[in-house]
Amino acid sequence: QKEVEQDPGPLSVPEGAIVSLNCTYSNSAFQYFMWYRQYSRKGPELLMYTYSSGNKEDGRFTAQVDKSSKYISLFIRDSQPSDSATYLCAMSARNRDDKIIFGKGTRLHILP
Amino acid sequence: GAGVSQTPSNKVTEKGKYVELRCDPISGHTALYWYRQSLGQGPEFLIYFQGTGAADDSGLPNDRFFAVRPEGSVSTLKIQRTERGDSAVYLCASSWDVPPPGELFFGEGSRLTVL
Repeated sequence: QKEVEQDPGPLSVPEGAIVSLNCTYSNSAFQYFMWYRQYSRKGPELLMYTYSSGNKEDGRFTAQVDKSSKYISLFIRDSQPSDSATYLCAMSARNRDDKIIFGKGTRLHILP
Repeated sequence: GAGVSQTPSNKVTEKGKYVELRCDPISGHTALYWYRQSLGQGPEFLIYFQGTGAADDSGLPNDRFFAVRPEGSVSTLKIQRTERGDSAVYLCASSWDVPPPGELFFGEGSRLTVL
């Protein structure tokens, strides 16, 4: 079993819809959870960063972490065509030398 | 510019050749990561530097791969005796060396094609 599992999609939704993206993980030591967005032929860029369990909201984006289920989610409200990209979940344990592990990424298409 | 710079942006080489990929991190960032991304996949961890030393090199696939960061700034990923399976985008990222793990700032990658 991979440490981080993410459905690669593609996921196509109409403009204005709510998008739900998810990852599961197996390593209970993970404490820090991130969502990165990657446009074609570009490097990933950080979208959301959360610590431990709970919710975090930033504009149209909400990140949720459920450590008991080892499940994290990213919700996008009022989706726009410019949100079309690959969304990567990433996570890390607490220690200073712990690496950041990425999921496979979900390709999202917002249809105008 | 102030971002992470990677060179070359594209490299085509023949099987068996030696390749070097360079990463110039954001000034002041002491943590530096190398990842490999194949088509349709997420970034796969290769190696992580804290300053000049490799804090974790567990992701290097075999002894053909080696990375250095001699002065704690620029890093070079070196691949010997390249194979077709090494073809991928090699991403470099840097961050502040302050726990907890900070935001990674990525370069645009070096696209390696081994013929």
